[in-house]
Amino acid sequence: DQQVKQNSPSLSVQEGRISILNCDYTNSMFDYFLWYKKYPAEGPTFLISISSIKDKNEDGRFTVFLNKSAKHLSLHIVPSQPGDSAVYFCAAKVGSGGYNKLIFGAGTRLAVHP
Amino acid sequence: EPEVTQTPSHQVTQMGQEVILRCVPISNHLYFYWYRQILGQKVEFLVSFYNNEISEKSEIFDDQFSVERPDGSNFTLKIRSTKLEDSAMYFCASTTDSNQPQHFGDGTRLSIL
Repeated sequence: DQQVKQNSPSLSVQEGRISILNCDYTNSMFDYFLWYKKYPAEGPTFLISISSIKDKNEDGRFTVFLNKSAKHLSLHIVPSQPGDSAVYFCAAKVGSGGYNKLIFGAGTRLAVHP
Repeated sequence: EPEVTQTPSHQVTQMGQEVILRCVPISNHLYFYWYRQILGQKVEFLVSFYNNEISEKSEIFDDQFSVERPDGSNFTLKIRSTKLEDSAMYFCASTTDSNQPQHFGDGTRLSIL
């Protein structure tokens, strides 16, 4: 079973506050995860990734946490800005060598309001 | 910053017609992919391509689909006889190797009438 689930279709957050986007996966063999951000009429843009050998990866305002036992990861955005308003996709990389494919979640639409 | 470029941005085609979607991956990338997103559904993998051959394809990627790298810069997806259910956004992606994230183009919206 190879599924990535984002159970919250939307999230609304006030500017300056923390945004937390959640993602669950079903296959414990997944070992690399990515978050992509997507604006309307554009393709997904890579944001941040995490390998299963870590439980946290941070890049500026963005931090991804991985809980392998719960098969759960989350993306934290602090502080949230109006320009962060977009659809956020969680993805798992599957495969070996360079022949990797991404399995995407359904996405969470984040709205950051002033 | 280098980008993956896709053309056209929107393609309208009659059912049964052939369509070719074009992509120019980032120049030093070696692995190429096509994904699609039907309206309201997840982004789903179609095919991966490396060293001038398909490395993996999904169940969606049947005999009506083909990919080609006709020269050193372009990567194309051909659908031989389009069906209504082929209507979707098609995204091309590329990467240098398995340890790097895939970079996506802005997509081609394919509408089958």
